[in-house]
Amino acid sequence: KAGVTQTPRYLIKTRGQQVTLSCSPISGHRSVSWYQQTPGQGLQFLFEYFSETQRNKGNFPGRFSGRQFSNSRSEMNVSTLELGDSALYLCASSLGDRELNTEAFFGQGTRLTVV
Amino acid sequence: TQLLEQSPQFLSIQEGENLTVYCNSSSVFSSLQWYRQEPGEGPVLLVTVVTGGEVKKLKRLTFQFGDARKDSSLHITAAQPGDTGLYLCAGRHGGSTLGRLYFGRGTQLTVWP
Repeated sequence: KAGVTQTPRYLIKTRGQQVTLSCSPISGHRSVSWYQQTPGQGLQFLFEYFSETQRNKGNFPGRFSGRQFSNSRSEMNVSTLELGDSALYLCASSLGDRELNTEAFFGQGTRLTVV
Repeated sequence: TQLLEQSPQFLSIQEGENLTVYCNSSSVFSSLQWYRQEPGEGPVLLVTVVTGGEVKKLKRLTFQFGDARKDSSLHITAAQPGDTGLYLCAGRHGGSTLGRLYFGRGTQLTVWP
């Protein structure tokens, strides 16, 4: 069974640009959630999508957005990049339909560097 | 403010020693997961505990979920250099926030040969 796939693995962007990251979940998983990991803050929850609907949202500014497609693949977009957006962005997938099916499996992450 | 407090933040030990990592909260969780993460990679799921008082063993690793489902611990027996990594605990509340994991800051473990 293929794991969670995130692309690209590495990105370098300039301040003010925008970026789109992609996540393909494990086959059959309908929940995809996104996290930002930085040395200072650890893993911070961005948002979660389940069956194409945003089900939960963290405390990030509106520059961070996401969506989920009918095949459960998800994308997150960051507009007007700031230096502080440099981080490892992680995507996790789970069945997500009920409490017994919430084990989350992570992808390798996308390392975003804003210069 | 972190919902889950992990301690210690750093742990540096010799091969063969035992260690315990703690994960504490004032909140009740419907389940709690432990992960290990290597530099530049995503966290890898080690175990999920769901029942208060539950103990799970994975070879030399023993995981415990507190009776009140507010805290958890990870005990490693006879640590090996391959155990080196960042250990993360993460809890779920269930209900409307089912899809969200609350993470601790992590414990960076280094095991020296």
